Amino acid sequence: EVQLVESGGGLVQPGGSLRLSCAASGFTFTNYGMSWVRQAPGKGLEWVSVISGSSGTTYYADSVKGRFTISRDNSKNTLYLQMNSLRAEDTAIYYCAKVIRVTAVSIAGFDYWGQGTLVTVSS
Amino acid sequence: QSVLTQPPSASGTPGQRVTISCSGSSSNIGSNYVYWYQQLPGTAPKLLIYRNDQRPSGVPDRFSGSKSGTSASLAISGLRSEDEADYYCAAWDDSLVVFGGGTRLTVL
Repeated sequence: EVQLVESGGGLVQPGGSLRLSCAASGFTFTNYGMSWVRQAPGKGLEWVSVISGSSGTTYYADSVKGRFTISRDNSKNTLYLQMNSLRAEDTAIYYCAKVIRVTAVSIAGFDYWGQGTLVTVSS
Repeated sequence: QSVLTQPPSASGTPGQRVTISCSGSSSNIGSNYVYWYQQLPGTAPKLLIYRNDQRPSGVPDRFSGSKSGTSASLAISGLRSEDEADYYCAAWDDSLVVFGGGTRLTVL
């Protein structure tokens, strides 16, 4: 059974940093791209970033480029999102999601999602 | 302002067929697959349709997807109360993923 469990969310001041983690199990982690998608309170889904299985390819939304870094540790089956220079508008539930197709990264298909972790940026 | 355009709301009565549209451009829907997600209140999104018209295992055949040019549609037939949720379309667009703004479906 595929499971994705996010952690690391919390309250942080504007300008601060936070690192999210997503522990994966139930599939061959290294074979699949992984992504972060966020949802501000009462708003729609916003894609944040995606990373290929080998970590060789990453893409970012313009809204986070230069501030957020996606990475993964395939030996630990864990996905990360390092978030720096946080702003109030980064407040959201952050979901990690598994890309649907082996070796793919440039697609919008995510077949498994975690339960999400809430990040609140406020003073 | 989302790159993909969806109606903010839709509604129907039990047993009806409803359709949700998703409009994009040549750089996203026009040249890439469309995916649809269902988000029930208070839960994570769930993949409903992939590659324009394919259903993952476990998704009822009441749900169907289609694409034509730079637009796509999600159809739900035999509407049920448990279909009340937010629905999102998504597509790849030149180095990033774009989502529609979401459509809230109400079952009257």
